[in-house]
Amino acid sequence: DTGVSQDPRHKITKRGQNVTFRCDPISEHNRLYWYRQTLGQGPEFLTYFQNEAQLEKSRLLSDRFSAERPKGSFSTLEIQRTEQGDSAMYLCASSLVLRALNTEAFFGQGTRLTVV
Amino acid sequence: AQSVSQHNHHVILSEAASLELGCNYSYGGTVNLFWYVQYPGQHLQLLLKYFSGDPLVKGIKGFEAEFIKSKFSFNLRKPSVQWSDTAEYFCAVNAGERDDKIIFGKGTRLHILP
Repeated sequence: DTGVSQDPRHKITKRGQNVTFRCDPISEHNRLYWYRQTLGQGPEFLTYFQNEAQLEKSRLLSDRFSAERPKGSFSTLEIQRTEQGDSAMYLCASSLVLRALNTEAFFGQGTRLTVV
Repeated sequence: AQSVSQHNHHVILSEAASLELGCNYSYGGTVNLFWYVQYPGQHLQLLLKYFSGDPLVKGIKGFEAEFIKSKFSFNLRKPSVQWSDTAEYFCAVNAGERDDKIIFGKGTRLHILP
């Protein structure tokens, strides 16, 4: 499978614990996005990378959230001191952005986080 | 800042009815526009996209959308829906000349009655 891969698919954690999610984008894609989706809502932008550079982080995002893409390939999203309000589906997407060519974003299956 | 507005939150239609889902965006410059679909239990998939050229865009499964720049709109249409079109539909936009982040609307839940 050469699509976007996310791990784990499901995570249940106790409030106050830290969690880390991984995303492996499509191999030739240089852009990587993280979104959060709750029931009945559209994907909410969290952050995005161009290669290893983090271009923007949502101003609505707590400092408990951090993301990295150290080698411009896979990315990790960490949530520290989880709260019940963090329960959501966390989506990763990737695309190819070049001067003369852009593609749409391809999405992974998501990681469903439940904070109890 | 970019934003996307989808007017219909929940639409119920009978099979063979025509469909039009509204989408408006706020950004004054060049935009790339997308419609994504999410079938129950599945991940987001692209229905169609507009980057440039013909403002009438045809996508998969008989869907099409028309970009009307003067109205900042990108409405999704299908002449005759099927039960299998039951899903959630999301409009999305990014500022083209800045290769900006992709912003999504809140979605429209479409339910087709057999």
